[in-house]
Amino acid sequence: DAEITQSPRHKITETGRQVTLACHQTWNHNNMFWYRQDLGHGLRLIHYSYGVQDTNKGEVSDGYSVSRSNTEDLPLTLESAASSQTSVYFCASSYGTSGEQFFGPGTRLTVL
Amino acid sequence: DAKTTQPPSMDCAEGRAANLPCNHSTISGNEYVYWYRQIHSQGPQYIIHGLKNNETNEMASLIITEDRKSSTLILPHATLRDTAVYYCIVRVDGSARQLTFGSGTQLTVLP
Repeated sequence: DAEITQSPRHKITETGRQVTLACHQTWNHNNMFWYRQDLGHGLRLIHYSYGVQDTNKGEVSDGYSVSRSNTEDLPLTLESAASSQTSVYFCASSYGTSGEQFFGPGTRLTVL
Repeated sequence: DAKTTQPPSMDCAEGRAANLPCNHSTISGNEYVYWYRQIHSQGPQYIIHGLKNNETNEMASLIITEDRKSSTLILPHATLRDTAVYYCIVRVDGSARQLTFGSGTQLTVLP
């Protein structure tokens, strides 16, 4: 069955380190999204992509980057992790212009 | 996209219908109403969406008022597994494809 996966599911890192969170989907969806979720803020959009080689900044993109080299993957990189980036990160994908997004299981990131 | 207003929390007895309201008084004619839910620690899950007609699927029914300024998500026979945060989102299909999540309604289904 088609699915969307995230890895790792849990990660602990130190301030200043570079961290990459993986997102992989097998639906052949053209759109992919990264959100973060914190208590009191709900889900906030970090970056999104409408297709290969396309990336766009979301509401809270500072300190994050993405690249889209194929349809299936949208890795999220924290260039220099900060404690404020401790959060749960969700990846999602969708097809065409539909608002029906499929979400991954999430990655819980702790920056010490 | 139009802003939505939802009650922060609701309770429902198991086996009863859960009716979750959403106010979107500034909705435009080409904006759809989407509902998602998020069970604790999991990724959000799409439930249903509609433009102006009532919609039903295997999970829920969506009732949109005639003036489209509000809607109600109905879970016909709530179970304990329906305990989750429910998000009402208004967006234009065909434009920017991202979703803007509000704070949602925490639905607690009581045994």
